[in-house]
Amino acid sequence: GAVVSQHPSWVICKSGTSVKIECRSLDFQATTMFWYRQFPKQSLMLMATSNEGSKATYEQGVEKDKFLINHASLTLSTLTVTSAHPEDSSFYICSATPGLRTDTQYFGPGTRLTVL
Amino acid sequence: GEDVEQSLFLSVREGDSSVINCTYTDSSSTYLYWYKQEPGAGLQLLTYIFSNMDMKQDQRLTVLLNKKDKHLSLRIADTQTGDSAIYFCAESKQAGTALIFGKGTTLSVSS
Repeated sequence: GAVVSQHPSWVICKSGTSVKIECRSLDFQATTMFWYRQFPKQSLMLMATSNEGSKATYEQGVEKDKFLINHASLTLSTLTVTSAHPEDSSFYICSATPGLRTDTQYFGPGTRLTVL
Repeated sequence: GEDVEQSLFLSVREGDSSVINCTYTDSSSTYLYWYKQEPGAGLQLLTYIFSNMDMKQDQRLTVLLNKKDKHLSLRIADTQTGDSAIYFCAESKQAGTALIFGKGTTLSVSS
């Protein structure tokens, strides 16, 4: 089946620094990628929808200047958490879909971000 | 209210059947999914069902959909300790769009 990878899988950073998380579709071209955030014992909440070559669409309440998303190619989307704070500590999961006519999304393994 | 609701916890004995329930509110949902998440890991797609289906079976997994009541269930036959995980129900309105997840049901299997 289709494989989506994320890098890094785990990152610890100091408050105020920026962290970049990569999401790659390894064996298919992803026209659309989604970024979700999951707090402990909570559900996944959609942060933004990323389409290759265009600006990401952010969900209400998600600061686009804080969570920068770049979908520069059909196999790579990046999420940069700028000026991270402890409340940004979470599990970030991306998913990718080959296109609107597919019936499912493929999820990455997630990135655990801890901000000290 | 929540778009997708699930009971938070289910405990079964090894060898029994597990039934995890989910209700959703959007009648226009086209695709309904079940994902499994083990501790510290990402999501694994278990199965999905189109809204025009009533049932889907895949080995030990049976999905039942009652579209009238907007109720979805996942039955795991002969539950094993390796099935212990969090199970998420999710919906989407059309293929390729973002999923709306429930809060997840933690399944605990005791031997």
